[in-house]
This record gives sequence, structure tokens and C-alpha cells, in this order.
Amino acid sequence: AQSVSQHNHHVILSEAASLELGCNYSYGGTVNLFWYVQYPGQHLQLLLKYFSGDPLVKGIKGFEAEFIKSKFSFNLRKPSVQWSDTAEYFCAVTNSGNTGKLIFGQGTTLQVKP
Amino acid sequence: DTGVSQDPRHKITKRGQNVTFRCDPISEHNRLYWYRQTLGQGPEFLTYFQNEAQLEKSRLLSDRFSAERPKGSFSTLEIQRTEQGDSAMYLCASSVPPGQGLLGELFFGEGSRLTVL
Repeated sequence: AQSVSQHNHHVILSEAASLELGCNYSYGGTVNLFWYVQYPGQHLQLLLKYFSGDPLVKGIKGFEAEFIKSKFSFNLRKPSVQWSDTAEYFCAVTNSGNTGKLIFGQGTTLQVKP
Repeated sequence: DTGVSQDPRHKITKRGQNVTFRCDPISEHNRLYWYRQTLGQGPEFLTYFQNEAQLEKSRLLSDRFSAERPKGSFSTLEIQRTEQGDSAMYLCASSVPPGQGLLGELFFGEGSRLTVL
């Protein structure tokens, strides 16, 4: 069965620090990969996605992620975080089949100190 | 607001009671998903519909849970004889029809939080 593992459960950074959140998935076939973000009091929203092509994908608000197929990883990065990036971040995967069903990791809570 | 809407936002009930949640997806989305999220965990897939057809149900969905989407628009999730372990956030999401290259890009509602006393 597919699964997604996020290594960091709670990350605390100061503003302007660099961010990298780890995500590994287990699935042998073709996958589509996502990062979703949930700001305090808001609904889950898409941050970025990888379907095919360039393994380095850019999303909203300066976030990017790199798909490394050999490592089954899709880590999220941002060079310089802001206080407004405080949120919960979820990595998710779906296979290339037709269901569109997402399997989520357990999430990483990011707290950015001003 | 043309996003996914869920109702009620909060529900407190006593163990053994039945509860029903409603989800109104984005109007042009024919796929609708239900997820459950507990504290400190990511959303867990429960079931999904394409139009009015329920195409997949998770093993997490016990016999006490039933979901419907009778006209292919809004959906309801009913939990019968609630248990304390059912306390969670129930999330609804919708997506565009398959073939549009955007599978997996789900649009979520704000969720319905259930507390079973």
C-alpha cells in the first residue's frame, strides 16, 4: 500500500532562515506528488505539485520542491521563511491511475518566530 | 464564495447519537472526496464519488458510516451510533473530471469538526 512519511513533526525557525521539510513515499509505480498547506483557521490549499517533467517545481509564495525518484523523496524548500509561513504542511501522493485519491503524510507544523 | 462548503462546522453529540454532515462541492467538479483528520495526523481517505456513483470506500469506513451523493451535486456523510473514537475533523474535497490533467488537485472545504461526548 502507498504511504507517505514526513520526517519532521514540528519545526521552529526564525524569520529569514532557510526551510527544508522532508517527505518520502512508498510506491513503485508512477506517482503524482503534492504539498498542501493549512494556515491557522483556514482550509487545506495546494502549495505545489509534480506530475511530470522538470523534477524541480515551484509553487506559491516562494516555495519549491524537488522530486528525486531514486530516493522516493519530494522535499519542500524555501530559502527565507516569513512569519506568515507559520502553518501545517502536508505532503501527499497519488498514483497515476484514475481515482485522484490522495494519500497524506502526517504533517509538519512550522512555527516561524518574528 | 465559490469554494467547497461544509455544514455544520462544529457538531457536539452524545455517544450513540446519529450525525450527518453535508458538503457542497465546487459546481463544475464532478468528483467529491471525504477525508477524516485527527489531531496530529494527516487527512485519511474515507470515500469518493464520481457524479452520483460511489467508486471507492476505505476500510476505515465501518458499517456505521454511510455517504451519499444522490444527484451528483452535494454529498452527505452520516455516522450512526457515534462513538468517542469518531471524534475528528471530517473534510470534504472536490476536483475536476478525469482527463483534464489535474487529477489529485483537490479543493478542500474547511471541515466539520465532530466531538462525541
